[in-house]
Amino acid sequence: DAGVIQSPRHEVTEMGQEVTLRCKPISGHNSLFWYRQTMMRGLELLIYFNNNVPIDDSGMPEDRFSAKMPNASFSTLKIQPSEPRDSAVYFCASSKDPGNQPQHFGDGTRLSIL
Amino acid sequence: GESVGLHLPTLSVQEGDNSIINCAYSNSASDYFIWYKQESGKGPQFIIDIRSNMDKRQGQRVTVLLNKTVKHLSLQIAATQPGDSAVYFCAENGDSNYQLIWGAGTKLIIKP
Repeated sequence: DAGVIQSPRHEVTEMGQEVTLRCKPISGHNSLFWYRQTMMRGLELLIYFNNNVPIDDSGMPEDRFSAKMPNASFSTLKIQPSEPRDSAVYFCASSKDPGNQPQHFGDGTRLSIL
Repeated sequence: GESVGLHLPTLSVQEGDNSIINCAYSNSASDYFIWYKQESGKGPQFIIDIRSNMDKRQGQRVTVLLNKTVKHLSLQIAATQPGDSAVYFCAENGDSNYQLIWGAGTKLIIKP
C-alpha cells in the first residue's frame, strides 16, 4: 500500500522566493496534518485538515505560510516570501481517525532557505 | 503538541540484547498512546499503539507497557538489531481528538 507521498524531497532556494510543498495522503484517510521539525523545537503541528477543511491552523507561524487541501488526495503548504528561519524538515501525515488511530507520516521535505 | 529537541537522551544497547525505552507522559486525560520510530532522513514511522483500557500490548518483537498510576509508558524491543537504530518518540492524545503531545525522543544506538 502506498504511504503518504511528499514532494519535493529536498528544496534549496533563496530567501524571498515562493516555496510550495506537496502532499498526497493515504487513500481513505480523512485527516491531514502538516508538521515542521527542527533540532531546536522538535515536531510542531502547523495545520490540521479534516475532510479537506482546515480545522486548526493555530500552529502556522505567520501570514507568510498558507495551506490548502482542494481535494481528498492532495494538499499544499506554501511559504511566500521564504526566509532563512523557515529552513526545516516539513512533514505531512494522514489518519483515518486521529483520536483513535495513528497518524502516518511521509518522508518529509528538507527545506533550505539561503 | 510540543516537544523539545535540544538534547536527545541516548540509549546504547548491545546487538541481540533487549532494549527498554521509557516515556513519562504529561496529561491525565490521555487515553491513546503511540510509539514512533524515526530513522535518519525519514519521517516518524508508526510502531505500536495502546489505549488506556489496556496495560500491555505486543507486536512483532515490540511490547508497549502502560502504567496509568504513574503516567509511564515504555517500549520494549526484543533481540535488538542494527536496523533498530533510530530516534524513538512516544506520543499521547491529551484531551484533543486530533493533536498529539510528543515526547522528547530517545536515540537508540546499537553496539556491534
